[in-house]
Amino acid sequence: DVKVTQSSRYLVKRTGEKVFLECVQDMDHENMFWYRQDPGLGLRLIYFSYDVKMKEKGDIPEGYSVSREKKERFSLILESASTNQTSMYLCASLAPGQGVNQPQHFGDGTRLSIL
Amino acid sequence: QKEVEQNSGPLSVPEGAIASLNCTYSDRGSQSFFWYRQYSGKSPELIMFIYSNGDKEDGRFTAQLNKASQYVSLLIRDSQPSDSATYLCAVGGDSNYQLIWGAGTKLIIKP
Repeated sequence: DVKVTQSSRYLVKRTGEKVFLECVQDMDHENMFWYRQDPGLGLRLIYFSYDVKMKEKGDIPEGYSVSREKKERFSLILESASTNQTSMYLCASLAPGQGVNQPQHFGDGTRLSIL
Repeated sequence: QKEVEQNSGPLSVPEGAIASLNCTYSDRGSQSFFWYRQYSGKSPELIMFIYSNGDKEDGRFTAQLNKASQYVSLLIRDSQPSDSATYLCAVGGDSNYQLIWGAGTKLIIKP
């Protein structure tokens, strides 16, 4: 089974802080994703990466950046946290060469609160 | 703007009955369709996926796809209280890795 691990289940930070959310997968997957999930809005894609050092913007990249220095690790960075970034953050991975015709596998999520 | 629509619910179903969850999508080029279950405070977990028109069965779950009408549904037979969760529909296109997600339907199974 695919194992996607997010570093924190719950995180509380202050406005203006730089926040790092970490995600690690153990299946040598090339494709990794960061979503945020807010009530009534479903999952919205922030960024995804299809290879080491490669990244693509999703639907809502503003205020975020990402880092993929190693294949197994995909980090989401909130450059200067704001209260409207309080949300559930979900990391997912996808097997190589499979595109959208295979399911994504999710980590447990990080519930981030910005005070 | 590609969209996936789901009734937010809650949908209340008696234990042992059939629960029917529906999802419509706007992009006719969509090729892959996924149903995820999400318990409160947890991450989504895959229930089923379907690519071709018709029915696909897996245990108590059946996914139904009708590309002409642009809808996909999930049937849960012999519903159990443990099936109470939010069900997310996700739709994949033909050219990239991005999925379009519905907001989910909350299902409540009443004992």
